Parts: sequence; structure tokens; C-alpha cells
Amino acid sequence: ETGVTQTPRHLVMGMTNKKSLKCEQHLGHNAMYWYKQSAKKPLELMFVYNFKEQTENNSVPSRFSPECPNSSHLFLHLHTLQPEDSALYLCASSQRDLDRKYGYTFGSGTRLTVV
Amino acid sequence: AQSVTQLGSHVSVSEGALVLLRCNYSSSVPPYLFWYVQYPNQGLQLLLKYTSAATLVKGINGFEAEFKKSETSFHLTKPSAHMSDAAEYFCAVSGVDTGRRALTFGSGTRLQVQP
Repeated sequence: ETGVTQTPRHLVMGMTNKKSLKCEQHLGHNAMYWYKQSAKKPLELMFVYNFKEQTENNSVPSRFSPECPNSSHLFLHLHTLQPEDSALYLCASSQRDLDRKYGYTFGSGTRLTVV
Repeated sequence: AQSVTQLGSHVSVSEGALVLLRCNYSSSVPPYLFWYVQYPNQGLQLLLKYTSAATLVKGINGFEAEFKKSETSFHLTKPSAHMSDAAEYFCAVSGVDTGRRALTFGSGTRLQVQP
């Protein structure tokens, strides 16, 4: 148990489906992140939330819609995805986004396959 | 902009041999540097971090890394490889640079340990 829990662990969805990924942390952290990990590519930062406010959107297509209702929960809503969106989606948290010296705690990820 | 380069996408060593994984960084401000490890079907786990204190940093599982400002490097080493060290390793840099505060990751190095 890493302190950051992601559900589901695996998800297969069609291109017309709507689904959501969930991330929950019980570490008392105030910053949360979504990263995309594709085969043979570096981890790509998608979104940053600091004290529930989105502070960074790394030019992510609108078919990915994040939601952060409180500092402990982060969602990624998915709709009309493309096959190239298939990847491992990782959630992470840290004490504060501005405190650079703190590393991140990662969840185990959701393996998404778009068919 | 801050960036990280990991030399060698695959490294293979024999059990008991020295492990050396290379990381070079670029940052316009004094960096904070991290090494993460990822086992199959898992998220990333923090191995160690450099936050401007001692230049030789010791981490978990017998790993250590040395920050060398003159070489802009932060290489990861372990004196004697164990089979359980087989995984993918990521170097990351954190710097306040053009508004980007979140961690920037390298492409990763997959470590194989031969019996």
C-alpha cells in the first residue's frame, strides 16, 4: 500500500464510451497530479492540482477532463478516446506543489486500453 | 527548460556486479533531483533524492547517487546487483523554470540482472 490508491487497475473501453479514473490519497498531501505513461515514451505530465485548484494543464486534449473535489481525491473523466490514448495513467501526490524538495508518492496506475 | 537525459534505455549486469545508471540534467536553477524505480505493473517508488544537502545521497535497497554540479550529473549506483533489482529506473528533476514546477522525468532505463 503506497498511500495513493487508484481504481480501477485495468480498464477497457470503446471509443464512444465515457468512463472515469479515480485516485485517492490519505497522506495529508495538498498537491495531486495525473501522468500518462506510454510505451517507449517518457512520463508525460497531464494535470496539476494544488489545494484543489488546477495549476497546470499540459496541453491535454479536452477528451480528458480532470476533477479535484478535495485535496484527497482526483478524478480523470474520459470520453470519446482514441486508440493512441491507451496507456498507464498514474496519479501522484505531494505535500505542496511549490515545495520542490518533496518527491511524489505514486499510485499503482490504471492500465487503460481503448478499442 | 529543465530536462533529464538518461543514457542507455537498457542496461544488463550480472548478479553481484556493479550497477551504474546514468542521468544528466539541465536546469536554470539549482535542481532537486530524484531517482524512482518501477516494478512491472506498479507505480513509481522513490529510491532517493538530492535536495542541496550532501552531494552523496543514500537511498533504499542499497542504492546511492552522487550529485556532480560540474558534470550536471546524478548517476545511480549499487555495488552489488541482486536479481530483485530488475526493474525500470527513472531520473527526475524539479526546478522552478518558466512556470514548470512539477517533476520532469527521463525516458527511463530498464535494468536486467543476469544470474
